[in-house]
Amino acid sequence: ETGVTQTPRHLVMGMTNKKSLKCEQHLGHNAMYWYKQSAKKPLELMFVYNFKEQTENNSVPSRFSPECPNSSHLFLHLHTLQPEDSALYLCASSQGAGGDYNEQFFGPGTRLTVL
Amino acid sequence: GQSLEQPSEVTAVEGAIVQINCTYQTSGFYGLSWYQQHDGGAPTFLSYNALDGLEETGRFSSFLSRSDSYGYLLLQELQMKDSASYFCAVRDSGYSTLTFGKGTMLLVSP
Repeated sequence: ETGVTQTPRHLVMGMTNKKSLKCEQHLGHNAMYWYKQSAKKPLELMFVYNFKEQTENNSVPSRFSPECPNSSHLFLHLHTLQPEDSALYLCASSQGAGGDYNEQFFGPGTRLTVL
Repeated sequence: GQSLEQPSEVTAVEGAIVQINCTYQTSGFYGLSWYQQHDGGAPTFLSYNALDGLEETGRFSSFLSRSDSYGYLLLQELQMKDSASYFCAVRDSGYSTLTFGKGTMLLVSP
């Protein structure tokens, strides 16, 4: 595997379900990001992890819970979601999150539908 | 608050030149980045401008004017495969986090 991978690619869940999205980067990067992409809206940054430490939580509802066990893996745990949470969830990584600018490499995303 | 404005859609023909503009209002500014996203695909990095002026990379160029809070992406010798959405994004802090615009869908026709 190369680059940034995400699983599953598609997920349909009910509002009472609990599911998790997984992201893995094979680039040796130290920073990882979760974004939400909804139709007709900009990419919204949700969480940032730098060297496994959460450095940013962009006022995300608690029904989204991130986990970063190491610099290569990032999870987004979902519970009691709402239909308006249906979107494409993108993971990205970069060499670091501070200092000089580091371009972000994105995964293909998980298309989430909440019924 | 943070806001970035870019056209929602641009159309052009193969071989033409197209310019996608981006104006921004952010509390901080460190640089302007551009990403390309094909339908169903992941956003991919195109360019980053921290200083005023034009940066050229093959058929694509990116320009920044910090005093005007304005930048653009210039695509030359358009090809069908350039049909995609193009996002400008501002690096508004000393970190690498980005605030994205809504994106411009570019449609290239034969």
